[in-house]
Amino acid sequence: DAKTTQPNSMESNEEEPVHLPCNHSTISGTDYIHWYRQLPSQGPEYVIHGLTSNVNNRMASLAIAEDRKSSTLILHRATLRDAAVYYCILGSNFGNEKLTFGTGTRLTIIP
Amino acid sequence: DAGVIQSPRHEVTEMGQEVTLRCKPISGHDYLFWYRQTMMRGLELLIYFNNNVPIDDSGMPEDRFSAKMPNASFSTLKIQPSEPRDSAVYFCASSLEGDEQFFGPGTRLTVL
Repeated sequence: DAKTTQPNSMESNEEEPVHLPCNHSTISGTDYIHWYRQLPSQGPEYVIHGLTSNVNNRMASLAIAEDRKSSTLILHRATLRDAAVYYCILGSNFGNEKLTFGTGTRLTIIP
Repeated sequence: DAGVIQSPRHEVTEMGQEVTLRCKPISGHDYLFWYRQTMMRGLELLIYFNNNVPIDDSGMPEDRFSAKMPNASFSTLKIQPSEPRDSAVYFCASSLEGDEQFFGPGTRLTVL
């Protein structure tokens, strides 16, 4: 299985943009890039996903490198409620197969 | 919709006892997943169902674990007999036609 590499932790100031990196150098042509996050004492929640093009939704933006070997999740204006563990996950199809969660990046927001 | 519902939220039991965790997926969803989360191993997929049929149970640790989905609105994960190493948070998730997964609040299991 293709794997992802993320920093263990990051800090950001409140109300500033946050860029969360993910490396996936062994990604296959059919792998989607999914991002989930897990707030303290809650189950994971979907954030965004993409295949080749950059994606935007109400929660975040996903920037995918041209060679697809890396991607960046962008939170445009971090709030304290964005403090969570963020997981970058590869999957062949969106959702209907195993999501292999790694260790993720623990994001701390500084007031 | 109330989201994915799990019960109980907390369970404390003694080694050797049978434990049953319950999950009600979001109405209309056709995929259901069971995960386990521990500090040591992180979040692991145990088994998932599509239209009530188990598709992949390769993550189930051993024969002590079993999962059923008798209908589209209910699933159980049973551990018999339970052991202290089974202590973890167990999450249920559901999705529609392979779309994003919605997770429940989890059941925190402690086996003494």
